[in-house]
Amino acid sequence: AQKVTQAQTEISVVEKEDVTLDCVYETRDTTYYLFWYKQPPSGELVFLIRRNSFDEQNEISGRYSWNFQKSTSSFNFTITASQVVDSAVYFCALMIYNQGGKLIFGQGTELSVKP
Amino acid sequence: DAGVIQSPRHEVTEMGQEVTLRCKPISGHDYLFWYRQTMMRGLELLIYFNNNVPIDDSGMPEDRFSAKMPNASFSTLKIQPSEPRDSAVYFCASSQTPGGAPSSYNEQFFGPGTRLTVL
Repeated sequence: AQKVTQAQTEISVVEKEDVTLDCVYETRDTTYYLFWYKQPPSGELVFLIRRNSFDEQNEISGRYSWNFQKSTSSFNFTITASQVVDSAVYFCALMIYNQGGKLIFGQGTELSVKP
Repeated sequence: DAGVIQSPRHEVTEMGQEVTLRCKPISGHDYLFWYRQTMMRGLELLIYFNNNVPIDDSGMPEDRFSAKMPNASFSTLKIQPSEPRDSAVYFCASSQTPGGAPSSYNEQFFGPGTRLTVL
């Protein structure tokens, strides 16, 4: 079975703190993709990043960075020097290659960044 | 491109009424997905289409839910009769068949969602 677990339901930090959102996935497939989406209070889903299972290279984009480790089936997301605008619900998702592109979402982590 | 368009953005109805949600995918996309977001169940796939044909409807909760895609540019999700527990945000997404290489994938583009409230 395929599954995504985001164990942190809610996280609250003070502005400028670093914060890491955890994501653990389960699949027996060898080719798959992992995603992070952001859902701000306005409700839309905003694509942040995609990694495929062949590429374990970590990625940094500004204050955002992602750590993909196949050995632990994890795809964690770190925000450095958090800002109030980072307050949102963040979803990790899994897509299996050749299964039509359907996304399997984790339950989401609600991040609150206080000034 | 206008992106994925959903209508209405908000719908309030009474229990027992029929509700129809609409989605216009991005032109040229051949996959269309309907997701539902609730507090209890999170984001879950209801059904998806490829070339207007339903491929997997295993996520459709019960017979009160039906989805159609009469052509490449339009899909509906209908609930009849509606119940309070159907209250949720319903997202439509579309994507395009990727190339054959494993590095390709169907990037999904999400619509803004329809917030449904059933009283």
